[in-house]
Amino acid sequence: TQLLEQSPQFLSIQEGENLTVYCNSSSVFSSLQWYRQEPGEGPVLLVTVVTGGEVKKLKRLTFQFGDARKDSSLHITAAQPGDTGLYLCAGDIRGNQFYFGTGTSLTVIP
Amino acid sequence: GAVVSQHPSRVICKSGTSVKIECRSLDFQATTMFWYRQFPKQSLMLMATSNEGSKATYEQGVEKDKFLINHASLTLSTLTVTSAHPEDSSFYICSASLTRGHETQYFGPGTRLLVL
Repeated sequence: TQLLEQSPQFLSIQEGENLTVYCNSSSVFSSLQWYRQEPGEGPVLLVTVVTGGEVKKLKRLTFQFGDARKDSSLHITAAQPGDTGLYLCAGDIRGNQFYFGTGTSLTVIP
Repeated sequence: GAVVSQHPSRVICKSGTSVKIECRSLDFQATTMFWYRQFPKQSLMLMATSNEGSKATYEQGVEKDKFLINHASLTLSTLTVTSAHPEDSSFYICSASLTRGHETQYFGPGTRLLVL
């Protein structure tokens, strides 16, 4: 059983469409991070959220941390082929337990 | 800044041999380094946490005698896969953190291991 479940697991959309990726858990996290990983490379940090209800924007990407700090979402507006990759959420429990989510593989078709 | 390198990037070895993977923080001193394993199309699984000068802490289910970790300095950690078997074939990724926590970790580019 994974501590952090992401949905959907796979997503294939047309360029220009919007999408939302969810990261859910029954545990409370001190902080939560979102990463994007390209094939054959290490993950690259996109954002860290620490406050319940926090919303952060990074260009066309909007990240939200749930009020109870158990879940998070990533919304991409007007997706582009360059957004293609594996999106991973990762959570820190009390600073000493860290878990990656199950991952969402996104393909944006030109 | 905050660049982490891994060497080699790819390695193919015969079953029964040992393989060493290096992880270096190039422009900062890492308090902690983490080793992850990733299978195709799957997420990262934490294998172990290492601090310079002390023994690594392994996650449940990870054999410490199979995956030897040495953290000799604040900029270098090594993972040695001993007596490798085909099921050890995977993508191994390290990260280096400025603190003991995960919130400031920077990931290396990964090492693809194929055991024949």
